Amino acid sequence: ETGVTQTPRHLVMGMTNKKSLKCEQHLGHNAMYWYKQSAKKPLELMFVYSLEERVENNSVPSRFSPECPNSSHLFLHLHTLQPEDSALYLCASSQARDITTDTQYFGPGTRLTVL
Amino acid sequence: GQNIDQPTEMTATEGAIVQINCTYQTSGFNGLFWYQQHAGEAPTFLSYNVLDGLEEKGRFSSFLSRSKGYSYLLLKELQMKDSASYLCAVVDSNYQLIWGAGTKLIIKP
Repeated sequence: ETGVTQTPRHLVMGMTNKKSLKCEQHLGHNAMYWYKQSAKKPLELMFVYSLEERVENNSVPSRFSPECPNSSHLFLHLHTLQPEDSALYLCASSQARDITTDTQYFGPGTRLTVL
Repeated sequence: GQNIDQPTEMTATEGAIVQINCTYQTSGFNGLFWYQQHAGEAPTFLSYNVLDGLEEKGRFSSFLSRSKGYSYLLLKELQMKDSASYLCAVVDSNYQLIWGAGTKLIIKP
């Protein structure tokens, strides 16, 4: 399944580094999402973009900065992260934002470790 | 607050049947999803229920009771490849997806 791809798959960074996560969807969808997945915790929705506009920001610290240059690409820029930010970061897309039955398609995630 | 409860981990035997329960307390209800996530991989869609009753899809079935705030995922004829985490998620009145922490299912030969 290559509908939603994410790079890199693994990332180790220090607290002073700046890095970016990339997500690309090849499904022609109009909505894209960033989630944080920590062990034994529910998925945490971070950001939602619909038609390239940010429609949701769930009180995410400013050290996480999203960017959506077009409907196929989504970035998450990282800077001055903390060790507790270590997690699996998942990107997802769906046809539209407001359809309740709309299935989200997930990428494989980026496993982030902050030292 | 909104809450989704699932067992953390379950163990079952190859060829057997297992039922994974999900209970929810949410502000409104607009449907319930089940996703499967193999270790190190993306969650993938299994089922969506919005009306009470059982939906069958091959070896997997999903049940919903809105009055009880309860759903289960039933897996029959278990195979080793069914070892994965199973995520329950509810669409609330604001059309937000509220996720459970997932149930890790271990299949033994």
